[in-house]
Amino acid sequence: AQTVTQSQPEMSVQEAETVTLSCTYDTSESDYYLFWYKQPPSRQMILVIRQEAYKQQNATENRFSVNFQKAAKSFSLKISDSQLGDAAMYFCAYRSAQGGSEKLVFGKGTKLTVNP
Amino acid sequence: DTGVSQDPRHKITKRGQNVTFRCDPISEHNRLYWYRQTLGQGPEFLTYFQNEAQLEKSRLLSDRFSAERPKGSFSTLEIQRTEQGDSAMYLCASSLRDRRHGYTFGSGTRLTVV
Repeated sequence: AQTVTQSQPEMSVQEAETVTLSCTYDTSESDYYLFWYKQPPSRQMILVIRQEAYKQQNATENRFSVNFQKAAKSFSLKISDSQLGDAAMYFCAYRSAQGGSEKLVFGKGTKLTVNP
Repeated sequence: DTGVSQDPRHKITKRGQNVTFRCDPISEHNRLYWYRQTLGQGPEFLTYFQNEAQLEKSRLLSDRFSAERPKGSFSTLEIQRTEQGDSAMYLCASSLRDRRHGYTFGSGTRLTVV
């Protein structure tokens, strides 16, 4: 079974600075998708960014980018120019690309605080 | 279509009572998922539907839990004989067949068992 580990329960960053959230995962599959979700205090989960395992190029979405290291099974999220609205829980998630289960497997999350 | 809708947003019930939650997915999404999230934890998978067929259930889904998706549209999650340990946020999500797109989540139903 796949597992996702987020080793940082809490992180903080100053407004306008850069922060990196860590995620590692365990799988025997070669083809899969990885996601970062944001859950603000209102509780609705929002997709931030996704990465396809067969693509070596790291995904970017505006101020959000990932560092995907397939061999190391690492998938970190970098938030540049942090804004107060970035404060939320961030969850890393894994999904098999084919066969098996279609479910998303989530880590326990990292609570990000943005200080003004 | 404004996204995934869940009803109610909050539910307080006495231990031993039955509760039912509803989820309306995005209309073109044929996959529907239920997750449970307790405070400070990530969402845990409960079950998922492809159209009206329930294709996977977690071991977390005890005999007191049942989910349906009649006609492949909305879904209901029922918990019978609620226990205090059932207190959690119940999240519904839907997705397209293409797995690369991830899920769209609803706002969740917060259940408190007293």
